[in-house]
Amino acid sequence: RKEVEQDPGPFNVPEGATVAFNCTYSNSASQSFFWYRQDCRKEPKLLMSVYSSGNEDGRFTAQLNRASQYISLLIRDSKLSDSATYLCVVNPLASNTGKLIFGQGTTLQVKP
Amino acid sequence: DAGVTQSPTHLIKTRGQHVTLRCSPISGHKSVSWYQQVLGQGPQFIFQYYEKEERGRGNFPDRFSARQFPNYSSELNVNALLLGDSALYLCASSRRTSGDTDTQYFGPGTRLTVL
Repeated sequence: RKEVEQDPGPFNVPEGATVAFNCTYSNSASQSFFWYRQDCRKEPKLLMSVYSSGNEDGRFTAQLNRASQYISLLIRDSKLSDSATYLCVVNPLASNTGKLIFGQGTTLQVKP
Repeated sequence: DAGVTQSPTHLIKTRGQHVTLRCSPISGHKSVSWYQQVLGQGPQFIFQYYEKEERGRGNFPDRFSARQFPNYSSELNVNALLLGDSALYLCASSRRTSGDTDTQYFGPGTRLTVL
């Protein structure tokens, strides 16, 4: 079983749609959680950290469910510029190395 | 301020050769991590260095090695290249080794093709 699992998609949605991605992780001791965005052939960039209380940044909302070991990302009012691959990322932290564990990524394609 | 820089941007090698990839972290960052990203997959952790010492190693063979210099820049070396080493190699820098508030910032990567 992969340490971090995501549905690779692709998710094809029209502009203005709301889309949600889920991700599950296997290590219950994981401490830190993130969503990174990666454009085609570019480096990953931090989109947002994910906290137990949930957090929102404009049109983006991230939630963490520790009991079920899953993380979600909700994008409201999708824009063409949201088209990218969204990577679910976990930092186990227990090893104190700062190692990040990435999911496979979920591809989003927003169409006019 | 300049972000993380990596060189070269692209590289083509043949099987059995050796390659050295370079990374300069963001000014003030002391930690450098290396990741390998093959097509269609998420990045996979290779190494982390902090204050010139190895602090973490992923599940990669001994053909992969790295080091960090006094100015915090880093090199990743891969010996005896295999076709399967073809990937995007990403370097990330952060201020510390760990901590849930310590963001890792990625460089643009080096795209390695092994023929």
